[in-house]
Amino acid sequence: NAGVMQNPRHLVRRRGQEARLRCSPVKGHSHVYWYRQLPEEGLKFMVYLQKENIIDESGMPKERFSAEFPKEGPSILRIQQVVRGDSAAYFCASSPGQVTAYEQYFGPGTRLTVT
Amino acid sequence: GQQLNQSPQSMFIQEGEDVSMNCTSSSIFNTWLWYKQDPGEGPVLLIALYKAGELTSNGRLTAQFGITRKDSFLNISASIPSDVGIYFCAGPANTGNQFYFGTGTSLTVIP
Repeated sequence: NAGVMQNPRHLVRRRGQEARLRCSPVKGHSHVYWYRQLPEEGLKFMVYLQKENIIDESGMPKERFSAEFPKEGPSILRIQQVVRGDSAAYFCASSPGQVTAYEQYFGPGTRLTVT
Repeated sequence: GQQLNQSPQSMFIQEGEDVSMNCTSSSIFNTWLWYKQDPGEGPVLLIALYKAGELTSNGRLTAQFGITRKDSFLNISASIPSDVGIYFCAGPANTGNQFYFGTGTSLTVIP
């Protein structure tokens, strides 16, 4: 998967807890995208970030969800007070942000299960 | 949001057969991408298309950017068991930064 790292690969949380998902993009890539995938469905865009900036969060629920991509360190997708409906696979993708900005390279995903 | 519909939804074919699938959009796309997703993994980029009418190959895979810019096609020749997976088309919104994925075509290759 072209070097995008995500952890943890699997995360189990009880309702009401917080889930924190990490994504380290391909070295040199400054653009990060987060997607959510429900079973048997395609990926749904959530948020697009560049270093220290949220560019487009139109696909992210307004409440409980937040994302960041600090100057140093991985991008974080945070889900507060998780509910059963948050159970899904969450994928991060990165791109170089130049001519080939649309060629996104995906990580292996974090599978969140809310019990 | 924009809808990307893929057909067929699923395919069961014999090893060695050729495969064709397509993706249609309700609106124009300026870029089309094709990804393959294996179970439990993230999508892997197969082919990127940037111009209407463009035909691009990657090994046994060939993809075309439709002239109308509202569709794209992916062909796999001489299928093998490792072609099994779900194939997604994708494209960026023409306004804003959203990236849309299709509904997926699930491919099963029978040895």
